[in-house]
Amino acid sequence: LAKTTQPISMDSYEGQEVNITCSHNNIATNDYITWYQQFPSQGPRFIIQGYKTKVTNEVASLFIPADRKSSTLSLPRVSLSDTAVYYCLVGPFSGGYNKLIFGAGTRLAVHP
Amino acid sequence: DAGVIQSPRHEVTEMGQEVTLRCKPISGHNSLFWYRQTMMRGLELLIYFNNNVPIDDSGMPEDRFSAKMPNASFSTLKIQPSEPRDSAVYFCASSTTGTAYNEQFFGPGTRLTVL
Repeated sequence: LAKTTQPISMDSYEGQEVNITCSHNNIATNDYITWYQQFPSQGPRFIIQGYKTKVTNEVASLFIPADRKSSTLSLPRVSLSDTAVYYCLVGPFSGGYNKLIFGAGTRLAVHP
Repeated sequence: DAGVIQSPRHEVTEMGQEVTLRCKPISGHNSLFWYRQTMMRGLELLIYFNNNVPIDDSGMPEDRFSAKMPNASFSTLKIQPSEPRDSAVYFCASSTTGTAYNEQFFGPGTRLTVL
């Protein structure tokens, strides 16, 4: 499984766009990039997954450059409720393989 | 949909006692995971079942830990005997193999304190 590196913490203010970048230099051809969000006292929650280029859903966007050695989670116009830990995970998606390895994550604090 | 159900939500026990954590996965999901989360070590995968069969238990820390999945709707994680260093939040998650997004659904967790 490819190792991921992301900032330990970030600070932002309400209404700003937040971009969290994750490095995964050893990503394999069949690996997908997945982001999870964890609020205090709760289990992690899936946010978004992608393979290349850009993926967007109602919560976030995921930007993946052509070399796929990094990815950026973008949260538009954050609110206080977006304060959480964000995990970047890389692993194969298909073939019944279902194991995810969580790193340290990025602790995002959104201020008024 | 009730989501993943875990019980108990909180458990306080004394060193040496047996602890059993319970999990009911989402109906129809065929993969089940047990994780442990601490401040020092973060979120660690302990064991992973697929179709009730343990696939990967390399994360189980010691022989004191054991997990079972007797059927598709129930799993247990047992610690015997428990030690203070086992204090952590234990999460159960479930998913469906081979579907889009490889999404795991986590339960609310069991906060275990071993005195």
